[in-house]
Amino acid sequence: EAGVAQSPRYKIIEKRQSVAFWCNPISGHATLYWYQQILGQGPKLLIQFQNNGVVDDSQLPKDRFSAERLKGVDSTLKIQPAKLEDSAVYLCASSLSELARVYNEQFFGPGTRLTVL
Amino acid sequence: GNSVTQMEGPVTLSEEAFLTINCTYTATGYPSLFWYVQYPGEGLQLLLKATKADDKGSNKGFEATYRKETTSFHLEKGSVQVSDSAVYFCALIPASGGSYIPTFGRGTSLIVHP
Repeated sequence: EAGVAQSPRYKIIEKRQSVAFWCNPISGHATLYWYQQILGQGPKLLIQFQNNGVVDDSQLPKDRFSAERLKGVDSTLKIQPAKLEDSAVYLCASSLSELARVYNEQFFGPGTRLTVL
Repeated sequence: GNSVTQMEGPVTLSEEAFLTINCTYTATGYPSLFWYVQYPGEGLQLLLKATKADDKGSNKGFEATYRKETTSFHLEKGSVQVSDSAVYFCALIPASGGSYIPTFGRGTSLIVHP
């Protein structure tokens, strides 16, 4: 079975520019997560989708970050405008269902490493 | 709020040494607990999990036991290999409250020398 796909793998931009990341989850997975992983820290959840609805976005900096999952499959995360502190790896993960709590394994993509200069 | 605390790294061991990486958590009820591993340049992979008290998760020689009384989920391996060098993350998903937001620890880097 194909894993979680993300693109691009690397991105370098200047501050105040815009950037977008794409994620395609494992087929059939209803739940999709976007995480921000700053160097030396654990992943921090930015937003969680269940199908095409937002379950939680309490840690998403909404003044500059946005995310969508229009058809309940793939998703994009956008930063506009970027700041220096946005330099991080952006991880996408998916799981079968938020409701399958007893076995709620998340499958992670390889991540997109963003450098903001 | 929920939190996960891991021991500071890096942990440096010789091959075949015994490994323990400590993890303690704060959460209400009985969260599900996980260990993830991240090899250099790769995404996180689930290593093992436990969903209720006294459960033992195990995989690839690694083990962790869900200890409700000490709110801990320490990772152990009897004999580490060079290929185990990676960053290990402890994580939880809460059991109640209507939200299943995962919380990760900061990660512990393991370096195994031949």
